[in-house]
Amino acid sequence: EDQVTQSPEALRLQEGESSSLNCSYTVSGLRGLFWYRQDPGKGPEFLFTLYSAGEEKEKERLKATLTKKESFLHITAPKPEDSATYLCAVQPSIQGAQKLVFGQGTRLTINP
Amino acid sequence: GAVVSQHPSWVICKSGTSVKIECRSLDFQATTMFWYRQFPKQSLMLMATSNEGSKATYEQGVEKDKFLINHASLTLSTLTVTSAHPEDSSFYICSATGRVRGTQYFGPGTRLLVL
Repeated sequence: EDQVTQSPEALRLQEGESSSLNCSYTVSGLRGLFWYRQDPGKGPEFLFTLYSAGEEKEKERLKATLTKKESFLHITAPKPEDSATYLCAVQPSIQGAQKLVFGQGTRLTINP
Repeated sequence: GAVVSQHPSWVICKSGTSVKIECRSLDFQATTMFWYRQFPKQSLMLMATSNEGSKATYEQGVEKDKFLINHASLTLSTLTVTSAHPEDSSFYICSATGRVRGTQYFGPGTRLLVL
């Protein structure tokens, strides 16, 4: 069964304190791994798509990396506005299936 | 680019009534749209997948007759919650993708409260 596990569940950091969020996955075949940011009461906002092991993508203070078993979202010198829930999802490579399997998310709080 | 809208953002209704939620892709053609449900402090739960012009595919445990999905065009999908009950109160979110390998872009969500 395809499964995504994110850790930690919640993380509190001081402004400027860099850290990483983990997304471990088991999937029969990986079509893509996605990172989203979700603010309270809003829909998820797309951040990154990674397709193959070794791939990396960056956007401002965020950098996503991918291995064959996990993905990391590195946050460098975070600011309070980076506080949100970060969701990881995988898209299995089952023919015709486009649905995503989501992890439970990591609630990130950045204190000023 | 890749903007998805939902309407309404908030709806309060009486038990037994039906509620329709619209999901639109504003700047791209969505070959596939998805409907999710999210409970407080939980992750997204996929309810159904819909392709333009064909019947929706529902996830196990989701009642087809209760949650009617119509994907009438490449930019519009609707979710109708029929005979709503308080336990249907939740945050409903749609997403859309334009390609088989494409990223899903999410709408802002609709909060439904059934009294």
